[in-house]
Formats: sequence, C-alpha cells, structure tokens
Amino acid sequence: NAGVTQTPKFRVLKTGQSMTLLCAQDMNHEYMYWYRQDPGMGLRLIHYSVGEGTTAKGEVPDGYNVSRLKKQNFLLGLESAAPSQTSVYFCASSYSGAGESYEQFFGPGTRLTVL
Amino acid sequence: AQSVTQPDIHITVSEGASLELRCNYSYGATPYLFWYVQSPGQGLQLLLKYFSGDTLVQGIKGFEAEFKRSQSSFNLRKPSVHWSDAAEYFCAVYAGNMLTFGGGTRLMVKP
Repeated sequence: NAGVTQTPKFRVLKTGQSMTLLCAQDMNHEYMYWYRQDPGMGLRLIHYSVGEGTTAKGEVPDGYNVSRLKKQNFLLGLESAAPSQTSVYFCASSYSGAGESYEQFFGPGTRLTVL
Repeated sequence: AQSVTQPDIHITVSEGASLELRCNYSYGATPYLFWYVQSPGQGLQLLLKYFSGDTLVQGIKGFEAEFKRSQSSFNLRKPSVHWSDAAEYFCAVYAGNMLTFGGGTRLMVKP
C-alpha cells in the first residue's frame, strides 16, 4: 500500500495563478483532510470530507476550494494564489471520525511558494 | 472550541538524557489526545493516543504520555533520548471531526 500520496511535491506560483493539489489514498478511508503548516502554528485544518461528494470547512478555508468526486481522491484548489498561501500543505485520511481506532494518516506534504 | 498549547518551542537534550514535552489542552468534554512526530521534510507519524481508560499511554519508539485531567495536560516522556529522536513533536486534540494541533516543539539532541 502506498498510503497517502500527494502531487506535486513542490510548486512555485506567481500571485494570481491557480493550481490544484491532488491527494490520493489507497486505504479505503471515508474521511480526508487538508491542512496547511506554517512555522510556529502547527497544522491548521483547511477543509475536510466525511465521504465521497461531501466537503466541509475547517479552521482556515478562505481562498481554497476542495472536491471529493471519488472516495480515494481529495483535491485542493487555489483559484487566485496569494503570497499568504505560501506554506506546506498536508493531506490526511482516516477510516472514520470516532472510536478508539481513530487515527489520521498523513501524506508527505507539498511545499508551495507564491511569489 | 478546543485548543492546544505547547509551551516549549525548542528543547535541547543530551543523548541518553530523559525527555518531557509539555502539552496543555482546552476542551469541555473528555478529550481524544494524540502525539505526532515529524522528521525534517516528512509527514506526520502517530506516536501514541489517548481515548479513555489507563491515563498512562505507551507508544512507539519508547515514548509514553500521561493524561492528567486536573491539569488539562498530556505530556510526552521518554526515559533515554536517542539522536534519531531529533524532530518536531505535535500534540493534538480531536473533537467535532477535527484534529486541532499545538504549535509544535522542536527537539534537538546533543551528542
């Protein structure tokens, strides 16, 4: 199993450009998440999905959109990139949202720089 | 809303010394608590978690954590640190379909 994979690993954008980050998981997980990581702030949840076709806002959703058309994929879109969106983006997935077996599995991250 | 505070941004310990990383949380109900570790350039790996029951939880790589409800704390400990433990450590609380993370503690290990 590859676990959680993210594409691309690195990207440089100019202000105003758009892009899509792809997250894929092969563990048949229902829940998927997008986070951003900034120095000193830990990881902050952008959007999440509790199943195919459903999405919800997290802590810092502004400037981002997401889609979950297939259970195994979760896409994060930036329609008009801004320098404040320079960050490392992590995707995660989990089997469910509750219970003692709960655990989020993380991808390796995408480093995005917006000039 | 829940929150997590990790008071120590950086900690340096000598190899072989003991380690304690602090974590304080704010949440109204019984929390689900986690510790994750992140090596440079990598994703996050789960070290251990607490849901209920025994307040002393054992994890991977020789780590343990103790849940203290009266202090709203979930401190991570290791009796003898190895150079390979140098990484960033994150405490997190789960509620409302979300994991809320602390700001992280970066651990450096001196030879």
